[in-house]
Amino acid sequence: KNEVEQSPQNLTAQEGEFITINCSYSVGISALHWLQQHPGGGIVSLFMLSSGKKKHGRLIATINIQEKHSSLHITASHPRDSAVYICAVRGNQFYFGTGTSLTVIP
Amino acid sequence: NAGVTQTPKFQVLKTGQSMTLQCAQDMNHEYMSWYRQDPGMGLRLIHYSVGAGITDQGEVPNGYNVSRSTTEDFPLRLLSAAPSQTSVYFCASSYSYEGGYEQYFGPGTRLTVT
Repeated sequence: KNEVEQSPQNLTAQEGEFITINCSYSVGISALHWLQQHPGGGIVSLFMLSSGKKKHGRLIATINIQEKHSSLHITASHPRDSAVYICAVRGNQFYFGTGTSLTVIP
Repeated sequence: NAGVTQTPKFQVLKTGQSMTLQCAQDMNHEYMSWYRQDPGMGLRLIHYSVGAGITDQGEVPNGYNVSRSTTEDFPLRLLSAAPSQTSVYFCASSYSYEGGYEQYFGPGTRLTVT
């Protein structure tokens, strides 16, 4: 049983395309995190959300608490956005999705 | 701040050997945790600590021990390595604030058990 489900698992896009990655979760949470993991393995935090919407540059994250769903959008995608994007939630402990592998082709 | 540091970055062990993965943070975070990351699976919690002297088991604790004698350090010990413990291990620290939390990850340790 996966408390956090992400879709799609893999995504290939042309440079400049608008990208959406989805996350659904089944546990009660206090907050949701979007993480980015580059080849080579380091994991960095992109957003922490407990409600509504946040925007950092070309990245936008939204969360719908009632529907237990979050989306990460990347506008005007670029090859340097190629990475694995991981959705993580904090319930009584941290739960992680399996990640979405994004490749942006020039 | 160095953030969260982990050593070693790579390690190869033979079945039955023991070793300790080191983790340290300089942000004075109370909460620290160890995860393993395997292909096709999300990060899975091994052990965590909510402060010095306090540790607890996560989802996959078997074969691992931890201790937390200081706020800064949270080592993970493999007691008798098995091939099933081949994985990438991440240490993380986090802090909570009103309305949310922030989590910081170390660079990871890639462990191979032959």
